[in-house]
Amino acid sequence: NAGVMQNPRHLVRRRGQEARLRCSPMKGHSHVYWYRQLPEEGLKFMVYLQKENIIDESGMPKERFSAEFPKEGPSILRIQQVVRGDSAAYFCASTPALNYEQYFGPGTRLTVT
Amino acid sequence: QQPVQSPQAVILREGEDAVINCSSSKALYSVHWYRQKHGEAPVFLMILLKGGEQKGHEKISASFNEKKQQSSLYLTASQLSYSGTYFCGTETTGNQFYFGTGTSLTVIP
Repeated sequence: NAGVMQNPRHLVRRRGQEARLRCSPMKGHSHVYWYRQLPEEGLKFMVYLQKENIIDESGMPKERFSAEFPKEGPSILRIQQVVRGDSAAYFCASTPALNYEQYFGPGTRLTVT
Repeated sequence: QQPVQSPQAVILREGEDAVINCSSSKALYSVHWYRQKHGEAPVFLMILLKGGEQKGHEKISASFNEKKQQSSLYLTASQLSYSGTYFCGTETTGNQFYFGTGTSLTVIP
């Protein structure tokens, strides 16, 4: 049973470009969380999605950031017009339902130059 | 909304015990505990649901006091492999999930 997959593992973007981060949840999991982690800091909640629904996006910046989890395919976190402050590790985690443990992917390290 | 953990950092010698606390200002439905090693993804340790239960996992156990909105993680007879950053994750009764501020644990020989 494959674990949570994220790609790319490393992504370099120039200021102003777009970054697309993908997350394939574990088989049978229909809930996905996205987190951002700056070096030596904690995990900051960004968004919680179910297939075809955004459940809670209270942690997502209002501009430039969006997320989706379509019926088919991976969940996508999209950052438009990236700035240096977006450089961080982005983790997704999947879970079969609320109140279950979260299984984390290996993360995508985004570097904005 | 982010739960507060204490202590922020702790250094132990092998075989010593430690307690990590997690405190929330919100009413909680569940508390999760995760460990993250440097450069890696967090790994699930255990989940405690509303009901004030205590759970064990080898020499790592945890308790959850829902009235006080607090949880504690107990590590006994620590091993070198216990080193890492420990995060609690709290699920509020409003279905919102937040990770705590983190506790860095270093076990030395």
